Amino acid sequence: GAGVSQSPSNKVTEKGKDVELRCDPISGHTALYWYRQSLGQGLEFLIYFQGNSAPDKSGLPSDRFSAERTGGSVSTLTIQRTQQEDSAVYLCASSLVGDRTDTQYFGPGTRLTVL
Amino acid sequence: GENVEQHPSTLSVQEGDSAVIKCTYSDSASNYFPWYKQELGKGPQLIIDIRSNVGEKKDQRIAVTLNKTAKHFSLHITETQPEDSAVYFCAARDTGRRALTFGSGTRLQVQP
Repeated sequence: GAGVSQSPSNKVTEKGKDVELRCDPISGHTALYWYRQSLGQGLEFLIYFQGNSAPDKSGLPSDRFSAERTGGSVSTLTIQRTQQEDSAVYLCASSLVGDRTDTQYFGPGTRLTVL
Repeated sequence: GENVEQHPSTLSVQEGDSAVIKCTYSDSASNYFPWYKQELGKGPQLIIDIRSNVGEKKDQRIAVTLNKTAKHFSLHITETQPEDSAVYFCAARDTGRRALTFGSGTRLQVQP
C-alpha cells in the first residue's frame, strides 16, 4: 500500500518568510510525528499527534513552529519568520498505535533551505 | 530526558565482513529499541527492533543485542554487501512517551 508522503520534496525560501510543509500519513494510522534532521545529524523530535488527544509539542524549538492535523489524517507543519538555522530535512512518520511495537514509518522528507 | 549515543560515526568494511554498531541510552525506563537504515535522499526505514524483555533478535544477516543492565544495544550485520552501504540510526523509546530519541547515526561503507 501507499506509504507516508510529504510535500514539497524541496523548499527554498528567504529568511523571514513563512513556510508550510505537508504530510499524508499511511491510511488508518492514528499517530503522526514530525522530526527534524539537520545536516549529518540524527533525528530530533518536534511534535506528536495521537487521535483526538492534545498533541505532544515538547520538541518544538520555538514558538515560530506550529503544526496541525486536520480530520485525524493530513498534517501541516508551519514555520513562521524562517531563520537560516531552520534549514534541515523535515521528516514525518506515522504509526498504528495499538500494535505491539507502534512501529514508526517515515516519509521521504522535505528539504528546507533558508537563504 | 533520554539521551542516545551511537558509535562509530563512520565504518568502512570489506564486502563479506561483519559490521557492528553500538548504542548506549540513559533512561532505564526505555523499553523499545529500533534500528533504521537511511539511504541518500530517502526517509529512514526500519530494519529491526527489540523490546526490553528480549536479549537478542535475529533476522537473516541482521541481529540486535540488548543489555539492559549496562543500557546498551548493538546492531550486527554479517556477510556485508555493497547494498548495505547507508547511514544507520539507533533509537530508544521510554514508557512515558511515543516519540523516539535517535542516535547521531553511523555511515557504513561496504567496499566491494
